[in-house]
Amino acid sequence: GAVVSQHPSWVICKSGTSVKIECRSLDFQATTMFWYRQFPKQSLMLMATSNEGSKATYEQGVEKDKFLINHASLTLSTLTVTSAHPEDSSFYICSARDLNKNIQYFGAGTRLSVL
Amino acid sequence: GQNIDQPTEMTATEGAIVQINCTYQTSGFNGLFWYQQHAGEAPTFLSYNVLDGLEEKGRFSSFLSRSKGYSYLLLKELQMKDSASYLCAVRDFGNEKLTFGTGTRLTIIP
Repeated sequence: GAVVSQHPSWVICKSGTSVKIECRSLDFQATTMFWYRQFPKQSLMLMATSNEGSKATYEQGVEKDKFLINHASLTLSTLTVTSAHPEDSSFYICSARDLNKNIQYFGAGTRLSVL
Repeated sequence: GQNIDQPTEMTATEGAIVQINCTYQTSGFNGLFWYQQHAGEAPTFLSYNVLDGLEEKGRFSSFLSRSKGYSYLLLKELQMKDSASYLCAVRDFGNEKLTFGTGTRLTIIP
């Protein structure tokens, strides 16, 4: 079964609203989680590294005030897309590293459509 | 930084074998991963190499040569459900980040 749970899997929202996406590691604790974005037929682009108990590290070009990340516990990270606009429509995927297995597992992804 | 290169598309026949290559350049190597991704779904883990050599797991095998900056994913006894994108990803030494290649879209034909 899935070891990383991501919710919701699909969301439609109006322009200007905010959307929160949750990512949970189910079978292990994750001090670090990652948020990716993927456009159709393109590869995954890392947006930010979520660190438990401290601020997230954003990749160059990613607006930290627009994509708010909170890593509240060792099993939960959230990504909030604030004041969403149609250009934010994309497939957002989280991942977490299982230190015992040294493998990074992915959530099922969230398809965001902003109208 | 890293530069990862893999073919964009490949086609293979059901029941056959296919090899997907990945070359990389990195300032600090700490492992190479292969993931499978079906359209509209998240990537699923296939293999992990950190030392040179071949890792075999059922129908899938992955090879790594660190000195050459080269890896391949070998798929045997191809099935129609193997039609998917295959992503090569390299992890930096010193942090946990994975950098992905563009992915190879594999199409299996009868």
